[in-house]
Amino acid sequence: QKEVEQNSGPLSVPEGAIASLNCTYSDRGSQSFFWYRQYSGKSPELIMFIYSNGDKEDGRFTAQLNKASQYVSLLIRDSQPSDSATYLCAVARNFGNEKLTFGTGTRLTIIP
Amino acid sequence: ETGVTQTPRHLVMGMTNKKSLKCEQHLGHNAMYWYKQSAKKPLELMFVYNFKEQTENNSVPSRFSPECPNSSHLFLHLHTLQPEDSALYLCASSQTQGARYFGPGTRLTVT
Repeated sequence: QKEVEQNSGPLSVPEGAIASLNCTYSDRGSQSFFWYRQYSGKSPELIMFIYSNGDKEDGRFTAQLNKASQYVSLLIRDSQPSDSATYLCAVARNFGNEKLTFGTGTRLTIIP
Repeated sequence: ETGVTQTPRHLVMGMTNKKSLKCEQHLGHNAMYWYKQSAKKPLELMFVYNFKEQTENNSVPSRFSPECPNSSHLFLHLHTLQPEDSALYLCASSQTQGARYFGPGTRLTVT
């Protein structure tokens, strides 16, 4: 079983709709969770992090965490073509741990 | 200049060459990292430095040699690489508690 699992996609979403990206993790002791966006040929860029169960909103982005189900998701509202990228989920055992484990990413395409 | 910078952005080297990658962070962070990104694989952590001290070497072959002279600069010295080492090499920095902030990467091709 992969430590951090994401559907590789591609996930196609019409412009203006909600894009939902999912991530599951195997280490039940994980405490901090991150979402990165990576455009083709570029480096990963931090979008959001979440530590507590529930929802965390930042603009058009909402991160959702359910530690009991070992599941973290990212919702993108009012999707724009500029949101087309690969989204990486990353998980760490504690807040300052060096071992941040990444998933392989989900490729998202927003269709105009 | 702000953020995390890396040079060179692209590098082509033969298997017998020696080259170095350079990273500099302007964020005041105290931890720096080298990651390798290959197609279809998760980001692989290679090395971690906290306050200039190496705290993790993730079973990286000795043909990769890191150097961290201070908390703002990080190098990756390369020698006798293999074609399978071709990848995007990413430098990142963070506070002790915090997310990684990545540089633009060096696209390395070993011929």
